[in-house]
Amino acid sequence: KAGVTQTPRYLIKTRGQQVTLSCSPISGHRSVSWYQQTPGQGLQFLFEYFSETQRNKGNFPGRFSGRQFSNSRSEMNVSTLELGDSALYLCASSAEPLAGGRETQYFGPGTRLLVL
Amino acid sequence: SQQGEEDPQALSIQEGENATMNCSYKTSINNLQWYRQNSGRGLVHLILIRSNEREKHSGRLRVTLDTSKKSSSLLITASRAADTASYFCATGQNYGGATNKLIFGTGTLLAVQP
Repeated sequence: KAGVTQTPRYLIKTRGQQVTLSCSPISGHRSVSWYQQTPGQGLQFLFEYFSETQRNKGNFPGRFSGRQFSNSRSEMNVSTLELGDSALYLCASSAEPLAGGRETQYFGPGTRLLVL
Repeated sequence: SQQGEEDPQALSIQEGENATMNCSYKTSINNLQWYRQNSGRGLVHLILIRSNEREKHSGRLRVTLDTSKKSSSLLITASRAADTASYFCATGQNYGGATNKLIFGTGTLLAVQP
């Protein structure tokens, strides 16, 4: 099976712009989670989707949003970009959410976003 | 912050030596996972240990879990240059519902010198 794919791999934007990142999960997986990784804050959970519904959301401002489509592909959007949004954005897919995070998650290569 | 702590932050060893990294977390958990990340790329799942397990092996990897101390350790035996990477622990907590949310540790950067 093909792994998790994320597009684009690299992105440069300026402050105030908005950006949309895309994630295609492993075929058959219906759960997609997003994480932000920065040198200062490490890996932080953004949100989780299952069957087109947001199941969980991290502690990020409303400028960060996401959605999931009927084919399980997911997008995340960041509006009014700030310098601090520069990060590696990782998407993870799994078959389904299980209580206590017992499901192994498979991560994509990430989208590296640089905000100037 | 809910984030777990890992130590050491960085570790440099010679090929063939063993590498041990530790992870501490803050709340009760259902399971703990270890991931590897090569040079700012995606995370690769290594091993999952459940809260009722104390030790687990996978190839050259050995993971222990002490829920009373809220800590885990990852041992890589007979290390290779290809093991050079950052290693993260991640915990899945019981939020009373089904979720894949993971809380990651701060990571240990391992450098294996050939």
